[in-house]
Amino acid sequence: GDSVTQMEGPVTLSEEAFLTINCTYTATGYPSLFWYVQYPGEGLQLLLKATKADDKGSNKGFEATYRKETTSFHLEKGSVQVSDSAVYFCALFSGGYNKLIFGAGTRLAVHP
Amino acid sequence: DTEVTQTPKHLVMGMTNKKSLKCEQHMGHRAMYWYKQKAKKPPELMFVYSYEKLSINESVPSRFSPECPNSSLLNLHLHALQPEDSALYLCASSPHGDVRDYGYTFGSGTRLTVV
Repeated sequence: GDSVTQMEGPVTLSEEAFLTINCTYTATGYPSLFWYVQYPGEGLQLLLKATKADDKGSNKGFEATYRKETTSFHLEKGSVQVSDSAVYFCALFSGGYNKLIFGAGTRLAVHP
Repeated sequence: DTEVTQTPKHLVMGMTNKKSLKCEQHMGHRAMYWYKQKAKKPPELMFVYSYEKLSINESVPSRFSPECPNSSLLNLHLHALQPEDSALYLCASSPHGDVRDYGYTFGSGTRLTVV
């Protein structure tokens, strides 16, 4: 079945460091890919998305490129801030019952 | 209005109580979802409603009873819960048939504690 694998956390960085959170997927067909962010005590917010191969999603300084050849959708940010501390979930949608499939989540902690 | 509103934000209930969680959206979305999220885990799908009809029940115990009275409102009725049901309950919605392009919009959740 379809699945998403994320790098295990927590990821701990200093402010202004470069961030990469790895995400790979297994899916039949051509899924859409998403990154959601969850701040402490809150629900999930859509951060960015890509619907086809080679698409780049971007938002708030975060970027991810849909790589079909490596089945990956890694999240990157050039300079993280303390306010980026949160849990990041990679997710895919490949059709059928409107069901999003989530990865396990990666916790990011950014220190001043 | 681009929000999914969940009430209450926090709920403490005893194992013999009956309570309900409420979710509302006014974005015209015709698919709505309940998820359960335990600490440090990803959300787990419980139910999917499509055009106000239940389309997926992920083998959820009958002590959880969903209801979709209209296209804007989704309820989750709770009865005889166990302490292990304590979790964050998230509601989400999506344009039916457009999850591929838009994903889900989530509410902020209800933090449920069963004592």
